Amino acid sequence: GESVGLHLPTLSVQEGDNSIINCAYSNSASDYFIWYKQESGKGPQFIIDIRSNMDKRQGQRVTVLLNKTVKHLSLQIAATQPGDSAVYFCAEKTSGTYKYIFGTGTRLKVLA
Amino acid sequence: GAVVSQHPSRVICKSGTSVKIECRSLDFQATTMFWYRQFPKQSLMLMATSNEGSKATYEQGVEKDKFLINHASLTLSTLTVTSAHPEDSSFYICSAPDGKSGYTFGSGTRLTVV
Repeated sequence: GESVGLHLPTLSVQEGDNSIINCAYSNSASDYFIWYKQESGKGPQFIIDIRSNMDKRQGQRVTVLLNKTVKHLSLQIAATQPGDSAVYFCAEKTSGTYKYIFGTGTRLKVLA
Repeated sequence: GAVVSQHPSRVICKSGTSVKIECRSLDFQATTMFWYRQFPKQSLMLMATSNEGSKATYEQGVEKDKFLINHASLTLSTLTVTSAHPEDSSFYICSAPDGKSGYTFGSGTRLTVV
């Protein structure tokens, strides 16, 4: 089976602060990565992606950093808002395949 | 943007009955559809990959006869949970490559078997 977690780690952040969500991926042959946001009872929603030939990509209020040396991916959310509260998953795709493997996810709680 | 419409969003069924979940790509053609299962507080687990006009590919440990997948057209893929049991209760999600931002997900189906 694919990645399955037991309990989601939780990151609590004060509203307005920056959030950093981390993900360790498993396959050094992975060439494409996506961060997804999943709100309760809904399907995952695309946030931002990055290819393995990049180490940083910025979107609106979000930045993804890729460190291939240690197989680490992070999602930075600037000025975190209550609407950012959700579970965040990273997903990796191996070169030559269509399959994505999802990380265990991190629950982000934004404190007012 | 690309949309995958998934129905039903919630379903409760009795043990032993079958339930069909539909995923439609609304504004793009989905030659491939991925079906995931998600238990509470856990990540998405890929169950199978369906390809239009051919047999689905199942992940290890997923019963083909229990989770029937049909991908009869470029816009519709269905997952039928046959002879459902309480342990099949879960959140089922489909996703398809949309050729733009990677993959678009359906909104998910919460299945409860009683």
